[in-house]
Order: sequence, then structure tokens, then C-alpha cells
Amino acid sequence: AQTVTQSQPEMSVQEAETVTLSCTYDTSENNYYLFWYKQPPSRQMILVIRQEAYKQQNATENRFSVNFQKAAKSFSLKISDSQLGDTAMYFCAFMNSGGTSYGKLTFGQGTILTVHP
Amino acid sequence: KAGVTQTPRYLIKTRGQQVTLSCSPISGHRSVSWYQQTPGQGLQFLFEYFSETQRNKGNFPGRFSGRQFSNSRSEMNVSTLELGDSALYLCASSRAGGVVDTQYFGPGTRLTVL
Repeated sequence: AQTVTQSQPEMSVQEAETVTLSCTYDTSENNYYLFWYKQPPSRQMILVIRQEAYKQQNATENRFSVNFQKAAKSFSLKISDSQLGDTAMYFCAFMNSGGTSYGKLTFGQGTILTVHP
Repeated sequence: KAGVTQTPRYLIKTRGQQVTLSCSPISGHRSVSWYQQTPGQGLQFLFEYFSETQRNKGNFPGRFSGRQFSNSRSEMNVSTLELGDSALYLCASSRAGGVVDTQYFGPGTRLTVL
């Protein structure tokens, strides 16, 4: 079974600074996708960024980027120029590419990020 | 394009009752996944439906069931409610449920069991 671990229950950062959220995962599969989702106080889950395991290049999306280390099974999220609107719970998630994994995201426990003015 | 909608947004039930939650996916999306979110267990996958067929199921008791209609709208049902079923229930839709398809989440239904 796949597991996703986020070791930082809470993080805080000053506005305009950079913060990195950690995620490790465990799988015996070779083809999979990794995701970071954001859940603000409104509870609406929003996709932040995704990474295909077969791609060596790290994904970036505006101020958000990942550091994907496949051998170490590590997938961290870096948020640059943090904004107050980035305050949210961040979830790391995993999905196998196999057919038995249809529609199933496996989530970590989440990291609460607070951006201070 | 309208997002994923879930109804009702809030629900209060008592132990032993049953409840039905509804999810309308984004237009054109045929896969709907359901998740339970609790402070203790986090986000857990319940099941996924595609073209009215359940293709995948998580580790939940048989009291949790679902279905999907021909217009891709999905419902989940919980029978004989227990206090531990109190949670935020999220549904997510995607085009086909495959790994290349991004899941878009609804706002959730907050279920409280008294």
C-alpha cells in the first residue's frame, strides 16, 4: 500500500518570504503522479501543482515549485514570495498510474501554513 | 464552466439514521471520487464511479455506498449512522479518473451525527 507522510504539522512564514513544505512517500510502483493540494479555511480543495514521476524536471507553477527526488521518494513544495492568501492547509497526494488506482488519491496528513503580515 | 457542486452543504443527523449526499461534477467529467475528511484520520478515499460503475473502493464498511447516474451525477449513502461518521465529505470529478486527469473538488458536505 502506498503511504504519504508530511512531517510538519504546522509552518509559518512572513509575507514575501520563501517556505518549503516537506513530503515523503512510499510505493513499490514505478509510474505514478504526485500532487500538492491547498485547502484554505473555506475548505475548497484546490490543486497547486502536479509532478509526473517519469519526468526528471521539477514542476513549477508561478510562485510554486517542487523538488522531486525520486530515489529518496521525496516531494517538497517551495512557495516563493509568500502571500497572505497562501494561508491554508497543504496536502501532498499520490496516485498510481495503474488501472486499479482509478480516481484514488492517497493524501498525507497535511501541513497548516500560516503567512504572517 | 461551473465547478463541482455538492448538496447539502451542512447536515445534522442522529445515530441510526441514514443520509444521502449528492455531487454534480463539472460538465464533461465522467469520473466522480468521494473522500471522507476527519481531524483524526485525515482524507480517506471512499470510492470512485465512472460511467455508472464503481471502479475502485476504499476500506470502508458496507454502510457506505454510492451510485452514479447517466448524467454523471453521483450520490453517496451512509446507513445506520454512527458518531464516528461525522466528517467533511468531499467529492471530486475528473474527465476519466485516470492518473493524468486532475481531480477538481467540490466544497464538501459537513455531516454531523448526534
